[in-house]
Amino acid sequence: KQEVTQIPAALSVPEGENLVLNCSFTDSAIYNLQWFRQDPGKGLTSLLLIQSSQREQTSGRLNASLDKSSGRSTLYIAASQPGDSATYLCAVRREIYNQGGKLIFGQGTELSVKP
Amino acid sequence: DTEVTQTPKHLVMGMTNKKSLKCEQHMGHRAMYWYKQKAKKPPELMFVYSYEKLSINESVPSRFSPECPNSSLLNLHLHALQPEDSALYLCASSPMDPGRKNYGYTFGSGTRLTVV
Repeated sequence: KQEVTQIPAALSVPEGENLVLNCSFTDSAIYNLQWFRQDPGKGLTSLLLIQSSQREQTSGRLNASLDKSSGRSTLYIAASQPGDSATYLCAVRREIYNQGGKLIFGQGTELSVKP
Repeated sequence: DTEVTQTPKHLVMGMTNKKSLKCEQHMGHRAMYWYKQKAKKPPELMFVYSYEKLSINESVPSRFSPECPNSSLLNLHLHALQPEDSALYLCASSPMDPGRKNYGYTFGSGTRLTVV
């Protein structure tokens, strides 16, 4: 059974710091891995999608890496800003033939960036 | 259009009411999903529709009844809910074709449901 773990559960940093969020998964047979951001009471916003054949993806100040063999992904946020404060969720996609995919989520990392 | 639209944004209902949640997407995605999220927890899968047919039901109680009238719409009919069903209900969609460039999920902003 696939399990996804995110470390740390919560993180508080001063503005301007670079930071790394960690995600690990137990079964390397994933189709892709997706990082989401969720603001309190809101829906999920997709940040980065990494296909299983890729090693990393970048978007602006965000960089996500994937090491499928070791079951790990990291989300790197450069020069953090108070507007980055949110919960960050990592999810791996398990494919079920012709039935759509199943996203399996980690518990999330709650990030607070202090001005 | 790269959005999933959910209505209503907030819903308060009594335990004897019948209500429906609606979800719409125009990205041509042929897989649509309902997720339930409790406070401080990750989303939990409820139902998957692929090509407008129910393909996965994660042992959800029958008081939740999904419906997919066409490839763009997904409904969740609610009847005789319990207070513990209060949660954020999220709709999502994704392509079915692994060859699509963006083979990821797109989520709506959710419906905050309170059962009184």
